[in-house]
Amino acid sequence: KQEVTQIPAALSVPEGENLVLNCSFTDSAIYNLQWFRQDPGKGLTSLLLIQSSQREQTSGRLNASLDKSSGRSTLYIAASQPGDSATYLCAVRKGGSEKLVFGKGTKLTVNP
Amino acid sequence: GAVVSQHPSRVICKSGTSVKIECRSLDFQATTMFWYRQFPKKSLMLMATSNEGSKATYEQGVEKDKFLINHASLTLSTLTVTSAHPEDSSFYICSARVPGGWVNEQFFGPGTRLTVL
Repeated sequence: KQEVTQIPAALSVPEGENLVLNCSFTDSAIYNLQWFRQDPGKGLTSLLLIQSSQREQTSGRLNASLDKSSGRSTLYIAASQPGDSATYLCAVRKGGSEKLVFGKGTKLTVNP
Repeated sequence: GAVVSQHPSRVICKSGTSVKIECRSLDFQATTMFWYRQFPKKSLMLMATSNEGSKATYEQGVEKDKFLINHASLTLSTLTVTSAHPEDSSFYICSARVPGGWVNEQFFGPGTRLTVL
């Protein structure tokens, strides 16, 4: 059974700092991995999707890496801003399945 | 990206009543939609996969008679929580798969907060 773990559960940083969020998964036979952002009481916004054959994806200040063999992914946020404050979720999808398995998320607070 | 809406965004009901939540794909046709449930400080858990024109596929442990899913058209899936009880209070989120392509990415709705008194 696939399990996804996100560390840390919460993170508070001053504005402008670069930071890394971690995601690990127990079954490396994944089809893709996705990072989402969730604001309080809201739905999910997809940030980056990495296919199993890819090593990283970049969008603006965000960079996500994937090491499938070790079951790890990181989300790097450069020059953090207060507007980045949200919960960041990692989810993996197994090949041949539509099912996404989510971690519990990392709650990020960027202080002005 | 593709847009998915949910209605209502928030609902409060009395114990024993039934509540219907709608999930719509606004700018694409979705043959497959997904219903998730999220408890505070917990992972999103897939409840069921909704397929247009056929019966939904429920995850282990999810009562299909309790959570009725209807995917009557290519843009609408509904989740009905029947005879709701306080333990059904949760945040329900749907997603829809954009058909075609090799990514099959899911786009998520804004969620519905259900409170059962």
